[in-house]
Amino acid sequence: QVQLVVSGGGVVQPGRSLRLSCAGSGFTFSGYAMHWVRQAPGKGLEWVAVISSDGIHKYYANSVKGRFAISRDNSKSTLYLQVNSLRAEDTAVYYCLRVDDTTHFDYWGQGALVTASS
Amino acid sequence: QTVVTQEPSLTVSPGGTVTLTCTANTGAVSSNYYPSWFQQKPGQAPRSLIYGATNKHSWTPARFSGSLLGGKAVLTLSGVQPDDEAVYYCLLFFDGAQLWLFGGGTRLTVL
Repeated sequence: QVQLVVSGGGVVQPGRSLRLSCAGSGFTFSGYAMHWVRQAPGKGLEWVAVISSDGIHKYYANSVKGRFAISRDNSKSTLYLQVNSLRAEDTAVYYCLRVDDTTHFDYWGQGALVTASS
Repeated sequence: QTVVTQEPSLTVSPGGTVTLTCTANTGAVSSNYYPSWFQQKPGQAPRSLIYGATNKHSWTPARFSGSLLGGKAVLTLSGVQPDDEAVYYCLLFFDGAQLWLFGGGTRLTVL
């Protein structure tokens, strides 16, 4: 069965960096585009970034452009989100989300909490 | 600034029918926005319900349906059950900016 497991969350000082990972299994990872979505405590969902199946095309929300970097390693069936210059407003649960045929969103990872705090 | 708007909250009686809408301040929502709908219950990851405005996943209950009506994306729940109490989010694609935006979510109460 399809599984997406997010890891790498935790408490990080503002201004520092961290990398989130999303490991896929149960499907051909290289055949799917992938998204990152986040949710601040008590708030709604916010789309963060998308990467094409081959890793060439990447797009970002305006709120994270220039600080976040999405990437993938299809040989390891893993999606990444590099978060740089962490801010208090980046505190959120980060989810990965698989998309079939560009617009058919289906499976979500369980999410990982990132807390920006000194 | 592009904004996607949903009703903040709705209440429906068990067995009733409720309609949730999703609009964009850029104009009428069409199939080119590839509307998707998601359900989220407290403490859980979201679950995908509808994609491409009208298409259901294999796990989407038959009582859920998506459509486009009057320039809006619409999620209709018919024969609502207590288990449908959740927050529902729509997601739209904005081709010009190559970005996706969620609506603020609709908290559905079954009472």
